[in-house]
Amino acid sequence: AQSVTQLDSQVPVFEEAPVELRCNYSSSVSVYLFWYVQYPNQGLQLLLKYLSGSTLVKGINGFEAEFNKSQTSFHLRKPSVHISDTAEYFCAVIRTSYGKLTFGQGTILTVHP
Amino acid sequence: AAGVIQSPRHLIKEKRETATLKCYPIPRHDTVYWYQQGPGQDPQFLISFYEKMQSDKGSIPDRFSAQQFSDYHSELNMSSLELGDSALYFCASSTGTTTSNEQFFGPGTRLTVL
Repeated sequence: AQSVTQLDSQVPVFEEAPVELRCNYSSSVSVYLFWYVQYPNQGLQLLLKYLSGSTLVKGINGFEAEFNKSQTSFHLRKPSVHISDTAEYFCAVIRTSYGKLTFGQGTILTVHP
Repeated sequence: AAGVIQSPRHLIKEKRETATLKCYPIPRHDTVYWYQQGPGQDPQFLISFYEKMQSDKGSIPDRFSAQQFSDYHSELNMSSLELGDSALYFCASSTGTTTSNEQFFGPGTRLTVL
C-alpha cells in the first residue's frame, strides 16, 4: 500500500513571497505523483504531475515540483504567490500499474496582502 | 471544454433515508471514480468503473452501491444514511485504466445527513 504525508497542515505567507508545500510518500511499488488544488466550494484541479523523466516538473499558475526519489519527496514550490493562490493543496500518488489516487491530508495555503 | 457533471450539487437527507448521486463523465471518457471527502479530510477512494464493469474497490460501505451505465454515466446509491455519511462526494473520469491518464474531477455533491 502507498501513503502520502503532507508535512504542513497550514501555511500562511505574504503576497509575492516564495512558498514551499512539502509532501513525502511511501510505497513498495512504483508510483506516479500529483499535486491538486481545491478552491473553496470547488472540485479538485490538477496542478502538475510527475510520471517519468526530468525530476523538475512545471505546472499551471507558475507552480513547480521536484521529485526526489532518494528522499521520497515531491515538494511543491512557487517563487512568488498571489492572493488568488489561497486554496487547499493535495499531494497524491497512484500506482503505475493500476489503482486509485491516494491523497495526503492537504495543506491550506493562505496568502495575506 | 466539457467537464465532469455531478448532480445534485447539494443534497440534504435524514438519517436512514436513501440518496442517489449521479456523475456524467467527460465525453469519450470510459472510466469513472468515486471519492468521499469528509469535513477537513482528504478525499478517500470509494469505487471505480471501466467500461461499465467495476475495476477497483476502496473503503466503500456495504450500504453503498454503484454502477456505470451504457452511456458511461455512473450513479452512487446510498442507503440507511448515517450522520457520518455527510461529506463531499467527488466523481472523476479518465480514459482507460492507464494510471498516468489524468483524472478530471467534477465539482462534487455535498451531502448533509441530519
